[in-house]
Amino acid sequence: DAGITQSPRHKVTETGTPVTLRCHQTENHRYMYWYRQDPGHGLRLIHYSYGVKDTDKGEVSDGYSVSRSKTEDFLLTLESATSSQTSVYFCASSYGQGEEKLFFGSGTQLSVL
Amino acid sequence: AQSVTQLDSQVPVFEEAPVELRCNYSSSVSVYLFWYVQYPNQGLQLLLKYLSGSTLVKGINGFEAEFNKSQTSFHLRKPSVHISDTAEYFCAGADSGGYQKVTFGTGTKLQVIP
Repeated sequence: DAGITQSPRHKVTETGTPVTLRCHQTENHRYMYWYRQDPGHGLRLIHYSYGVKDTDKGEVSDGYSVSRSKTEDFLLTLESATSSQTSVYFCASSYGQGEEKLFFGSGTQLSVL
Repeated sequence: AQSVTQLDSQVPVFEEAPVELRCNYSSSVSVYLFWYVQYPNQGLQLLLKYLSGSTLVKGINGFEAEFNKSQTSFHLRKPSVHISDTAEYFCAGADSGGYQKVTFGTGTKLQVIP
């Protein structure tokens, strides 16, 4: 299966601090995504990328930014972390869009105190 | 835009019994539909997908789903569950036109009881 690694796997931080989560894929997938998973909400799309330096907002993008300087890396930054951003964050990638299978990383558990 | 609704947040079922996990979608255009499974402390993995053609789709681990356009449903079924099927299951959909972002349902936790 596709190699997608997320780092860190767990992080505890304080309100108001910036946080960066990293996603690295080794499959040369064009599309990459960041989701957050919360009870009762399923997975919600934060941001996605359709190529190097090409990104766009998802449904819950407020308070988050992303960057993609290389095909294999997609960074998610919480500019000033808040307790409402405590969640499990998943990165995913795919060859194409829509009909294509998503490959997921193992997730990052983020706690904002 | 595509949206999906999973009607049950939790489904308990005895081992070797059949199970159906329900999913309804809404879209004004043709859709792609998926079922993903998430085992504890892991990411999601694809069980099966419907793009077009036959309405009965077979996936991994003995699961299958039926696309029903008139009822806008894509229910997941397995005739006999095992303990190892205990997991959370997500229905997802994407419009076939425009930019095809995938939208996930809220998930159904399947608990298989020995």
